[in-house]
Formats: sequence, structure tokens, C-alpha cells
Amino acid sequence: QVQLQQSGTELVKPASSVKISCKASGYTFTSNYMHWIRQQPGNGLEWIGWIYPGNGNTKYNQKFDGKATLTADKSSSTAYMQLSSLTSEDSAVYFCATGSLDYWGQGVMVTVSS
Amino acid sequence: DIQMTQSPSSLPASLGDRVTITCRASQDIGNYLRWFQQKPGKSPRLMIYGATNLAAGVPSRFSGSRSGSDYSLTISSLESEDMADYYCLQSKESPFTFGAGTKLELK
Repeated sequence: QVQLQQSGTELVKPASSVKISCKASGYTFTSNYMHWIRQQPGNGLEWIGWIYPGNGNTKYNQKFDGKATLTADKSSSTAYMQLSSLTSEDSAVYFCATGSLDYWGQGVMVTVSS
Repeated sequence: DIQMTQSPSSLPASLGDRVTITCRASQDIGNYLRWFQQKPGKSPRLMIYGATNLAAGVPSRFSGSRSGSDYSLTISSLESEDMADYYCLQSKESPFTFGAGTKLELK
């Protein structure tokens, strides 16, 4: 069965960076897009972008250009998202989801605080 | 960017009610419209894809429809497990955009 297992809760300091992971299993990792979505506390959903692990191609929501960097490791079927220059506005839950958006990870809560 | 205007933002309803949530797209998105259900502390769950197709495992009381640029999610007879937030998403073009969400709650 398809599973996306995300890394654990992060508490990070302002101006720092964080890299969160999403390990895929149960399907062909390299043949499916991986999306990343943000949900700020009490707010709705925002699409950050996607990566195609087969060739590393990426597409970003312009709002997240320079903030999020998507990568993928084919050998471990793991997708990553690095968030840089963190501020309190980046405190949120971050989800990964398969290309059809029919399978989602459990989400990673990132809290930016000094 | 394509704007998805979702209404209502809050929908009080009673068990057994027929309820409808609507999203209006600011540009043509064809049938590139999905509906998601999200319960507190959980990941979103795909309910409808291609505007009208029921996702796997979704009860048949859920349905999706389209009229021009208006897309609707209907629950024919509300059950307690349906109380959740609902979001539409257009995936016609980047950036994909979600509606602001509808909180479905018991009256």
C-alpha cells in the first residue's frame, strides 16, 4: 500500500534553515510527482510546488521561490524540502502528497521561535 | 494566478441534511478540480477528482458537479463523520490554488 512517512516535529530559530523529509513506499517513486503543501495555524492550504523524482524537475509557487527548495533521493525513495531564512510566518504544518494528491503524509509541524 | 472563491466559509447543518459547497474559478480550469476533506489534526483526504469522480473508498453520498465555472460538492444525507473542513483545489495550471475552505458543523 502507498505510504508517505514524514520526518518529525521541528523547533527552529529565526533566520535558520530546516530540511524535512517524506519517505515514499508502495509505488514507483520515480514515476510520480511529489507535491508539498503548507498549512499555517488555523488557516487553509497553500500549494508550495512539486518535484518529479525521475529527473529532478521542479515547479514552484512563485510565493515560495527562494523560501523552499525541493529535492529527491531516488536511492531511498525520499523527497525533501528545505526551508530557508525562517521567520515566524513559516511556522506551519507541511505536507507531502503524491502526484494525484490521493495519498498524503502525516504532516510535519515546523515552529520558528527564538 | 487562478483564484478559487469558495462558499460558504461556514455551514451549520443537521444530520440527514443535503448540503452543497461551491467553488467558483476565476479562469477556465476545465475539470481540473478536486475536493478534499480535512478533520482536525489530520491530513487532507481526496474526495472528488476530475470535478465529478468519486475517489476510492469515498461514500456514495458524496458527489461533485460542474456548471460553467462553478463547481460543487454535495453530501446527500449528512452523517456525523462528515463534520470537517472541505477545500477545493484547481490543478489546471501552476500555481495550483485552493479555495479558502468551508467548515461544516452541526447546527
